[in-house]
Amino acid sequence: GQNIDQPTEMTATEGAIVQINCTYQTSGFNGLFWYQQHAGEAPTFLSYNVLDGLEEKGRFSSFLSRSKGYSYLLLKELQMKDSASYLCAVRGNTNAGKSTFGDGTTLTVKP
Amino acid sequence: GAGVSQSPRYKVAKRGQDVALRCDPISGHVSLFWYQQALGQGPEFLTYFQNEAQLDKSGLPSDRFFAERPEGSVSTLKIQRTQQEDSAVYLCASSSNLNTEAFFGQGTRLTVV
Repeated sequence: GQNIDQPTEMTATEGAIVQINCTYQTSGFNGLFWYQQHAGEAPTFLSYNVLDGLEEKGRFSSFLSRSKGYSYLLLKELQMKDSASYLCAVRGNTNAGKSTFGDGTTLTVKP
Repeated sequence: GAGVSQSPRYKVAKRGQDVALRCDPISGHVSLFWYQQALGQGPEFLTYFQNEAQLDKSGLPSDRFFAERPEGSVSTLKIQRTQQEDSAVYLCASSSNLNTEAFFGQGTRLTVV
């Protein structure tokens, strides 16, 4: 089976940097996704890691260590609109179509 | 359309009523997924289609839940004899292939009273 752990809530200040961690234990691994979800809206794709290392995309970066079962999402130059839930999802290789999601980290950005 | 479209956006059903939720994926997307999301939790996998073939339905919580995608495009999730515990947001997502990200629809919020 799959188990995804991420902090429930985080708070940060506008303009700062925040790191949201995700650890996973899975029966297989075929990629890790980060999604952003504003309240009442659909999750939107942020990043995808399948190999170890850092993927950078504008203000957002995502890191993966497969040996440690660990990923983080790094948000720089925080803006008020970044207040949302951030979902970590792992695609196992037992069925490549299925992704298991964590419960999300609710980030609140304060002025 | 430009994105994944789901209808209705909101559905209130009386306990015991049957409901049908529709998903229009992005045109040309081969893979289609259904997820159930309870308040404050992440999406839980229900079922997955590749074209018209339902390759995984391991997440469907009971035999009251049924999904189909007869022509490999639009999909319908049907819930028979709804119960209060079925109340949740039902999300549909599609992707062009298994190695790319999934695009989610806005979801259908089902409330069973």
